[in-house]
Amino acid sequence: DGGITQSPKYLFRKEGQNVTLSCEQNLNHDAMYWYRQDPGQGLRLIYYSQIVNDFQKGDIAEGYSVSREKKESFPLTVTSAQKNPTAFYLCASSATSGDYNEQFFGPGTRLTVL
Amino acid sequence: KNEVEQSPQNLTAQEGEFITINCSYSVGISALHWLQQHPGGGIVSLFMLSSGKKKHGRLIATINIQEKHSSLHITASHPRDSAVYICAVRSGRDAGGTSYGKLTFGQGTILTVHP
Repeated sequence: DGGITQSPKYLFRKEGQNVTLSCEQNLNHDAMYWYRQDPGQGLRLIYYSQIVNDFQKGDIAEGYSVSREKKESFPLTVTSAQKNPTAFYLCASSATSGDYNEQFFGPGTRLTVL
Repeated sequence: KNEVEQSPQNLTAQEGEFITINCSYSVGISALHWLQQHPGGGIVSLFMLSSGKKKHGRLIATINIQEKHSSLHITASHPRDSAVYICAVRSGRDAGGTSYGKLTFGQGTILTVHP
């Protein structure tokens, strides 16, 4: 089955530690995205990538880093510089060839920094 | 003021009721999405529309581009419809002319349907 996987579903880390969230897709999509969701707020874009080896900052990129070495994978690192890392993180992907490319979302990772 | 506003923020209904969730936006868009997020957190796309109306089962989505407004209707609501419903708009193309899919999201509407 095609889809997006994120692991782990729940992640706990101590303050000051970097942590990497995994996102893999087998939909053959060129574009991938990372969003952050906080209670009572809409999803906010952290980083996105339209093609392998290229990525762009979203609206709230500070304290985060990404890589896109493979089409299928777009890992997100939450660094110690991120002031409020506890949140729900969602990865998504989409094609780029059409006019209205639907985004498909992964199940999310809930990160809690203690 | 947020670019995408949803109302109401919370909605409680009895099974069988007709439900309407509204979304207003302040930017020019190329498409609008309605998404459903269940308690586990995963998000499913319900509709993507740029004009008119779409229907899928008991769900109906409409959009009025001139008024910058969209509605999501659920007919004969059921407890399994309980979820967060999210409106998101695609604000056109990037500087390179590609529609890479950057979305701006509303804050979501929490729907609870009681049996």
